[in-house]
Amino acid sequence: AQSVTQLGSHVSVSEGALVLLRCNYSSSVPPYLFWYVQYPNQGLQLLLKYTSAATLVKGINGFEAEFKKSETSFHLTKPSAHMSDAAEYFCAVSGGGSYIPTFGRGTSLIVHP
Amino acid sequence: DVKVTQSSRYLVKRTGEKVFLECVQDMDHENMFWYRQDPGLGLRLIYFSYDVKMKEKGDIPEGYSVSREKKERFSLILESASTNQTSMYLCASSLSGQQKNIQYFGAGTRLSVL
Repeated sequence: AQSVTQLGSHVSVSEGALVLLRCNYSSSVPPYLFWYVQYPNQGLQLLLKYTSAATLVKGINGFEAEFKKSETSFHLTKPSAHMSDAAEYFCAVSGGGSYIPTFGRGTSLIVHP
Repeated sequence: DVKVTQSSRYLVKRTGEKVFLECVQDMDHENMFWYRQDPGLGLRLIYFSYDVKMKEKGDIPEGYSVSREKKERFSLILESASTNQTSMYLCASSLSGQQKNIQYFGAGTRLSVL
């Protein structure tokens, strides 16, 4: 079985500040990990994915995430927040013979001017 | 670009009505999924399909059924809508069977059951 925990249902940052969204996973096999973003009134779109190549993964819009096996974490970061980054962010994990991802409960990123 | 189209963005229905939510994808994906999204609960899988006429229950199938008569179309059916089915419904598709495959989502249908 696999699971995902996203720490913090809401994260608030000022424009220009560092963004850090936390994701911890549980998986009995090497995982595939994803971050998706959902802008208001839209569906989810892929931000980035880890598939056992480089542990530091770069995504769209300046986001990146680092896979840390020892910590079972896949935190999402961006050096400088922009107002347009305000959205809901979902971490997801798949693996162990299942191609259906398990999603976290989501973290809402709020960016203040 | 993959396009997943959900036929309605907003729907308002009455308790007891039969409701159809339609989803079409244009990239010949084998897998299609229906999720519901509720605040604080994230995405929960209702049903998925890995081939035409094939369907599998997800985590919360009660009160729902699905139909996949053509590869590109996956319908979610609420046989008798209830107020606790008021939610955002998301359709997704992906290529066959690989664990690292990306899911592509539609824009969602926000259903209100009165």
